[in-house]
Amino acid sequence: ETGVTQSPTHLIKTRGQQVTLRCSSQSGHNTVSWYQQALGQGPQFIFQYYREEENGRGNFPPRFSGLQFPNYSSELNVNALELDDSALYLCASSLGTGFTDTQYFGPGTRLTVL
Amino acid sequence: AQSVTQLGSHVSVSEGALVLLRCNYSSSVPPYLFWYVQYPNQGLQLLLKYTSAATLVKGINGFEAEFKKSETSFHLTKPSAHMSDAAEYFCAVSDQGSGTYKYIFGTGTRLKVLA
Repeated sequence: ETGVTQSPTHLIKTRGQQVTLRCSSQSGHNTVSWYQQALGQGPQFIFQYYREEENGRGNFPPRFSGLQFPNYSSELNVNALELDDSALYLCASSLGTGFTDTQYFGPGTRLTVL
Repeated sequence: AQSVTQLGSHVSVSEGALVLLRCNYSSSVPPYLFWYVQYPNQGLQLLLKYTSAATLVKGINGFEAEFKKSETSFHLTKPSAHMSDAAEYFCAVSDQGSGTYKYIFGTGTRLKVLA
């Protein structure tokens, strides 16, 4: 069984640019959640996708957007990058959106904004 | 909304000593609680989870955690630390805010194991 994978591993961008991060969910999982982990902090929820629709959003501005594809893989897009967007971005997949559906995390993409 | 608090951002133990990492939660409903471990430059790996089936939960790598409702705690323990346990540990609670179940994480505890 393949776990959650993310690409790229590392990324360096300059302020004002746009970035796309990718996530492949674990086999059989239809829900993907994205988290931002700033240095020295715990992960913070960005949004969740379920069957290609956004299913909830954390306290992040609209320049953070996402997509989920029919195969349940997902993208996180960030426009107009700011220095504070530098962080580890984690993707997590789960069997569903319920309280008992455990989220399994990928290795993350480290984004550096200069 | 639910929340978790991890006491101690850094914990050091000697190899072979007891590991105790503290987590307290705040929840208005029976919580689902998790411990994750993060090794340097890696993602989060699930150690164990509490889903109300049993108050003492056993996880991977010899870790266990006990859910204590009266103390609103879910501390993580391991009887004997190994050098390979050095990592950052996160406690999390499943929270339904705005109709979406998401995880709320603590700020993490970095465990250092001394030879």
